[in-house]
Amino acid sequence: EVQLVESGGGLVQPGGSLRLSCAASRFSFSRFWMSWVRQAPGKGLEWVANINQDGSEKNYVDSVKGRFTISRDNAKNSLYLQMNSLRAEDTAVYYCATHLTLRLFDYWGQGTLVTVSS
Amino acid sequence: SYVLTQPPSVSVAPGQTARITCGGNNIGSKSVHWYQQKPGQAPVLVVYDDSDRPSGIPERFSGSNSENTATLTISRVEAGDEADYYCQVWDSSSDLLYVFGTGTKVTVL
Repeated sequence: EVQLVESGGGLVQPGGSLRLSCAASRFSFSRFWMSWVRQAPGKGLEWVANINQDGSEKNYVDSVKGRFTISRDNAKNSLYLQMNSLRAEDTAVYYCATHLTLRLFDYWGQGTLVTVSS
Repeated sequence: SYVLTQPPSVSVAPGQTARITCGGNNIGSKSVHWYQQKPGQAPVLVVYDDSDRPSGIPERFSGSNSENTATLTISRVEAGDEADYYCQVWDSSSDLLYVFGTGTKVTVL
């Protein structure tokens, strides 16, 4: 079964940076698009960014454009999210998710919590 | 951007049927996917492409989609079905590629 394990979350001050990682296993990581999805405390799901198989195409929700960068390393079966200029409203659990089919999220990791607070 | 509206909560007795709606403009022309999220856990795909089930999802979960409303139906509800449920569509023509519904809390009485 597909396994996704996120790491890198924590407490960061407003304006700070954080890099999230997602280690993927038990599927052909390099063949599929991947996404980051977040969920603020007590709130719903929000798609953040996705990336194609070789990293040449990336898409972002407007609220993170210019601040967040999604990337991947297929040799390491890993997905990343570099988050800069963090704001309080970026506080959320961040999930990585697979796109075995591009139009939906097939599998999700357990999530990593990012808290932006002074 | 496209908006998907769900009722905040649905309550159902064990053994009965729960119906969760997802409203959107002409949603019947899109493929709708549904996710179950139990407290403290990651979402799990339970229905995709309106009415298909991933392997391992019970037949009690079914879906439909027509005109302006998609519906997730849970038959013979069990205590373990208590969770938040989210609908989702893919809008490749929009900057917001993936739209989630507002979420519905299903409570088993």
